[in-house]
Amino acid sequence: EVQLVQSGAEVKKPEKSLKISCKGSGYSFTTYWIGWVRQMPGKGLEWMGIIYPGDSDTRYSPSFQGQVTISADKSVSTAYLQWSSLKASDTAMYYCARCSGDCQHFDYWGQGTLVTVSS
Amino acid sequence: QLVVTQSPSASASLGASVKLTCTLSSGHSSYAIAWHQQQPEKGPRYLMRLNSDGSHIKGDGIPDRFSGSSSGAERYLTISSLQSEDEADYFCQTWGIGIQVFGTGTKVTVL
Repeated sequence: EVQLVQSGAEVKKPEKSLKISCKGSGYSFTTYWIGWVRQMPGKGLEWMGIIYPGDSDTRYSPSFQGQVTISADKSVSTAYLQWSSLKASDTAMYYCARCSGDCQHFDYWGQGTLVTVSS
Repeated sequence: QLVVTQSPSASASLGASVKLTCTLSSGHSSYAIAWHQQQPEKGPRYLMRLNSDGSHIKGDGIPDRFSGSSSGAERYLTISSLQSEDEADYFCQTWGIGIQVFGTGTKVTVL
């Protein structure tokens, strides 16, 4: 069974750093792209970027380029999303999701990680 | 520019059917899409991939009540025999080279 298990909710102050995780299991982690998706309170889904854990090839949405860093550690089948300096506007639910095939659509989703940034 | 457009809301009675539409932007009418369901306070769930010819591949465990069809630039999701648990947001997703695009979602209310 394919599973993506994300790290727990975080509450952080502005300007702090943060790294959240997404652990894949039940499939070959290194041969499927993993993506990150933001959902701000009461809003829709926004694609942030994707990573191929096999070689760490990473693509970012122009909206998020330079704002976050996506990485992966294939030795522990885990993808990461990190911020170096959080802003209140980063408050959102973040989902990881597995891409099917040649990273066309997402076919499995994590349960989400709620990030709250507040002073 | 690759964009998918969805109506903000739809409703139908318990046991009835509802048909949702996802419209691809001009010049992209041959693109496939994916449908995802997001129940209240839950993460998204992949429903199906829907091709331009109407063929579709469902995700694991998706009931037969969910079906897809296509016409031109429009991609449809039909939910038959509506159940209370079908009350959710439904997002369509499409993709290009190095880009993924989501629609704004349609909120389905079961009356």
